[in-house]
Amino acid sequence: QVTLKESGPVLVKPTETLTLTCTVSGFSLSNARMGVSWIRQPPGKALEWLAHIFSNDEKSYSTSLKSRLTISKDTSKSQVVLTMTNMDPVDTATYYCARIQTSSGYYLIISWGQGTLVTVSS
Amino acid sequence: QSVLTQPPSVSGAPGQRVTISCTGSSSNIGAGYDVHWYQQLPGTAPKLLIYGNSNRPSGVPDRFSGSKSGTSASLAITGLQAEDEADYYCQSYDSSLSGPCVFGTGTKVTVL
Repeated sequence: QVTLKESGPVLVKPTETLTLTCTVSGFSLSNARMGVSWIRQPPGKALEWLAHIFSNDEKSYSTSLKSRLTISKDTSKSQVVLTMTNMDPVDTATYYCARIQTSSGYYLIISWGQGTLVTVSS
Repeated sequence: QSVLTQPPSVSGAPGQRVTISCTGSSSNIGAGYDVHWYQQLPGTAPKLLIYGNSNRPSGVPDRFSGSKSGTSASLAITGLQAEDEADYYCQSYDSSLSGPCVFGTGTKVTVL
């Protein structure tokens, strides 16, 4: 059974750096063509894609947030880590990690973690 | 920020049919890229509902169906049930700077 679980702080202060960890089980981060994405959802709002990473360490970031995001993985620990710098109250959201399957022109989110709500407030 | 446009809400009585549209552009749906749909029940994470425009994962009831034409896609729910009350999001690949993954604005389905 494939599972993903997000962990990290529930509260961060403005200007601080957020670090979130996604721990996966039921599949390996070394699987070809499989990757992990981070997606967020502000309260009452739509989903927003943030970044992804693949087994070959290929990475991609949201254009609007690229300067603030870093994604990495530790295959031995089955973990994917997302850092977001200079947090602002508008970054308050539920952050999800998800297993993705892609090919040329195809991007599918196969399964999702439960999400973790991060509040940015002083 | 959402690149794909959906109606904010649709509603129907139990047993009725409702449809949700998802309108994109030439860099996503109009370019021929597949559309996927996710169901988000209240207080839970999204779940894959339809993939590859019209395919249902195992366990998804056949009252859910998807289609695509031109720059738009649609999700239909026939025989609406109380447990279908949820938010629904479309998603596709996008070849512009908005991509590679873009979502719809989301649609709240209310069962009257």
